[in-house]
Amino acid sequence: AAGVIQSPRHLIKEKRETATLKCYPIPRHDTVYWYQQGPGQDPQFLISFYEKMQSDKGSIPDRFSAQQFSDYHSELNMSSLELGDSALYFCASWPLGERGVQFFGPGTRLTVL
Amino acid sequence: QKEVEQNSGPLSVPEGAIASLNCTYSDRVSQSFFWYRQYSGKSPELIMSIYSNGDKEDGRFTAQLNKASQYVSLLIRDSQPSDSATYLCAVNGNSGGSNYKLTFGKGTLLTVNP
Repeated sequence: AAGVIQSPRHLIKEKRETATLKCYPIPRHDTVYWYQQGPGQDPQFLISFYEKMQSDKGSIPDRFSAQQFSDYHSELNMSSLELGDSALYFCASWPLGERGVQFFGPGTRLTVL
Repeated sequence: QKEVEQNSGPLSVPEGAIASLNCTYSDRVSQSFFWYRQYSGKSPELIMSIYSNGDKEDGRFTAQLNKASQYVSLLIRDSQPSDSATYLCAVNGNSGGSNYKLTFGKGTLLTVNP
């Protein structure tokens, strides 16, 4: 079965650079969630999209923005990167109507030097 | 106080034993409850979902939910070394529309010793 795809899987950036993370949800899933997981931490909700519109917003810094495109893939754009942004970034997709079950992608490991 | 609380462990059990993982949550409007397994450096993998009070069994896994006590648990029977991982309790509640964000506990590290 098709799963959530994320790219790139690993990314190394310098401080103050920008990064773009991509997420391709499971086919026919129209809702995408982004989570950030720091070392030894639990995943923290960043932002979500339903039918290409932002549906909810969590602890996402103003330096980050995201959008969902017509093909339902989503991109998380991160600017002015800081050392503290080093984390695993997960995208999860959800088939609306299935009681909130979310399927996670493999994640992007971002390292900021 | 974190909205979802778990014992961080580590919880160590011998192979073949029952592992018991517990979770409490603070938001009474929470409607859906999940257990995810996460290996180090990997993404969370859904193990169980439960929505109604009582028990739900799937193979070696049993989830238990008590909404009055705001408590959810996961039992793993016949524990195997491959079950060694961090188990994340996650909760969401329908606050309207499509707002089903998950709130996670900090996870319980389980080690199953051969």
